[in-house]
Amino acid sequence: KQEVTQIPAALSVPEGENLVLNCSFTDSAIYNLQWFRQDPGKGLTSLLLIQSSQREQTSGRLNASLDKSSGRSTLYIAASQPGDSATYLCAPNTGKLIFGQGTTLQVKP
Amino acid sequence: GAVVSQHPSWVICKSGTSVKIECRSLDFQATTMFWYRQFPKQSLMLMATSNEGSKATYEQGVEKDKFLINHASLTLSTLTVTSAHPEDSSFYICSASAPLGTDTQYFGPGTRLTVL
Repeated sequence: KQEVTQIPAALSVPEGENLVLNCSFTDSAIYNLQWFRQDPGKGLTSLLLIQSSQREQTSGRLNASLDKSSGRSTLYIAASQPGDSATYLCAPNTGKLIFGQGTTLQVKP
Repeated sequence: GAVVSQHPSWVICKSGTSVKIECRSLDFQATTMFWYRQFPKQSLMLMATSNEGSKATYEQGVEKDKFLINHASLTLSTLTVTSAHPEDSSFYICSASAPLGTDTQYFGPGTRLTVL
């Protein structure tokens, strides 16, 4: 059974800092891994998808890496902004997505 | 592209009634659709996986007779919460993927269900 852990559970930083969000998973037989953003009371916004054969993906200020063999992924946010405040979820895909508990990020102006 | 819609976006019902939630893929054919539930301050929990034209596969602990899933076409799946009770109040989110279910999942905006 896939288990997903995200560290830290919560993070509060001043604007401009570079951030690293961590995700670990127990079943490395994944097809891909997705990172999502969720604002309070809202649905999910897909940020990045990394295929199992890839090591990293970049989109703007976001960079996600994947080490499939060790069951780890990180999401790097550069030059954080108050608009980045949200909960970030990682979800490895083994044919179905299993979500971590998320990291709730607050970026202070 | 790859837009998924849900209807309704929110619903309030009385205890004991049934509620149907629709999930539609607007611009692609979804061979597989997934239904998730999210309680306040918790993460998404997969309830069931449905493939078009076949019975849904439910996750452990999810009552298939209470949460009826129909995936009758490649663009529509429905979740019916039968005899809803207050403990069923939650945020229900669907997603759709094509072609094998291992590809990117596109998520709907969610449906907030409140059972009085």
